[in-house]
Amino acid sequence: GENVEQHPSTLSVQEGDSAVIKCTYSDSASNYFPWYKQELGKGPQLIIDIRSNVGEKKDQRIAVTLNKTAKHFSLHITETQPEDSAVYFCAEESGTYKYIFGTGTRLKVLA
Amino acid sequence: KAGVTQTPRYLIKTRGQQVTLSCSPISGHRSVSWYQQTPGQGLQFLFEYFSETQRNKGNFPGRFSGRQFSNSRSEMNVSTLELGDSALYLCASSKLGRTGELFFGEGSRLTVL
Repeated sequence: GENVEQHPSTLSVQEGDSAVIKCTYSDSASNYFPWYKQELGKGPQLIIDIRSNVGEKKDQRIAVTLNKTAKHFSLHITETQPEDSAVYFCAEESGTYKYIFGTGTRLKVLA
Repeated sequence: KAGVTQTPRYLIKTRGQQVTLSCSPISGHRSVSWYQQTPGQGLQFLFEYFSETQRNKGNFPGRFSGRQFSNSRSEMNVSTLELGDSALYLCASSKLGRTGELFFGEGSRLTVL
């Protein structure tokens, strides 16, 4: 069935180090993969997205890679800062007007 | 530009009661989606509306329903509340509802006792 697996569920890194979050999806027809960041007490906010015709996309310290053959996509955050601490969700657009989200990764950046 | 507004932000109900949650989308956005967020389960899709029409529905029992008004505002209703319905209910709006950014509200936190 429709499913997005996300790992790890929690991740602690030292400030300045890199963080990587990985997701695997099941719907081979999916063509759009966004990443959302949720801070405490707030709704998720889009931070980066990638479409299936692109293998990698970068926006300053954040990058996303996509491997359609393996149905994997990953979020890479470099030079992490305390304000990067939040819960991150990957998602795939599955079918019509519906997104399947991963279970989230709680990232803690230690000062 | 005002963001997505959800009301109420917090509410407590008892089993068997019903609840109605409201969502006002960003001006100009015609698509409204609802998601249930629980610890360990991430965000689960409930339904999506566009121009007052439900275009897709998630795998939730019939106790969960929704609607959208002509001004794009949306409501969701949960009847005969169960303890397992305790969750954060998130509303998201977008221009078209597909292949694009979802703008989420801060959510309505429902506690069922």
